[in-house]
Amino acid sequence: KQEVTQIPAALSVPEGENLVLNCSFTDSAIYNLQWFRQDPGKGLTSLLLIQSSQREQTSGRLNASLDKSSGRSTLYIAASQPGDSATYLCAVNRWAAGNKLTFGGGTRVLVKP
Amino acid sequence: DTAVSQTPKYLVTQMGNDKSIKCEQNLGHDTMYWYKQDSKKFLKIMFSYNNKELIINETVPNRFSPKSPDKAHLNLHINSLELGDSAVYFCASSQGVGLAGKNIQYFGAGTRLSVL
Repeated sequence: KQEVTQIPAALSVPEGENLVLNCSFTDSAIYNLQWFRQDPGKGLTSLLLIQSSQREQTSGRLNASLDKSSGRSTLYIAASQPGDSATYLCAVNRWAAGNKLTFGGGTRVLVKP
Repeated sequence: DTAVSQTPKYLVTQMGNDKSIKCEQNLGHDTMYWYKQDSKKFLKIMFSYNNKELIINETVPNRFSPKSPDKAHLNLHINSLELGDSAVYFCASSQGVGLAGKNIQYFGAGTRLSVL
């Protein structure tokens, strides 16, 4: 059974500092991994999707890496801004035919001005 | 234009009642999903439909029944509501399943269900 863990559960940083969010999963037989952002009272917004054959994906200030063999992914957010404050969730897709996502518990990020 | 829309946003009801949550997507996607986010904020998949056909059915009480009248809609019916059903329910859609580039899921804003 796939288990996804995100540590830490909460993180507070001053504006401008780089953010490093960790995600680990127990079953390395994944199809892809997604990082999402969730704002209070709102749905999830997909940030990055990494296929199992890829090592990293980049979008603007965001960079996500994937090490399937060790069961880890890291989301880097450069030069954090107060608008980056949100909960970040990672999810692994272990069944291509069904696109079934297993989510971690999330990391709640607060970027202080 | 909201891509994935759920109604209602909030639902407060008594134990034992039957209620429905509606979901519609205007993205032209083939696949839709229902997730439950409990009080500890863990998101878990409940159901998934691809082209109106059920493809994922997790261990969910049969009081929960999804219905997909067409590809753009996936409604969730809950019978005999219990206190433990209180949660935020999210609908999502994706272009398809299985092929790279089609897997990204787009989420609705959620329906907060409170059972008293």
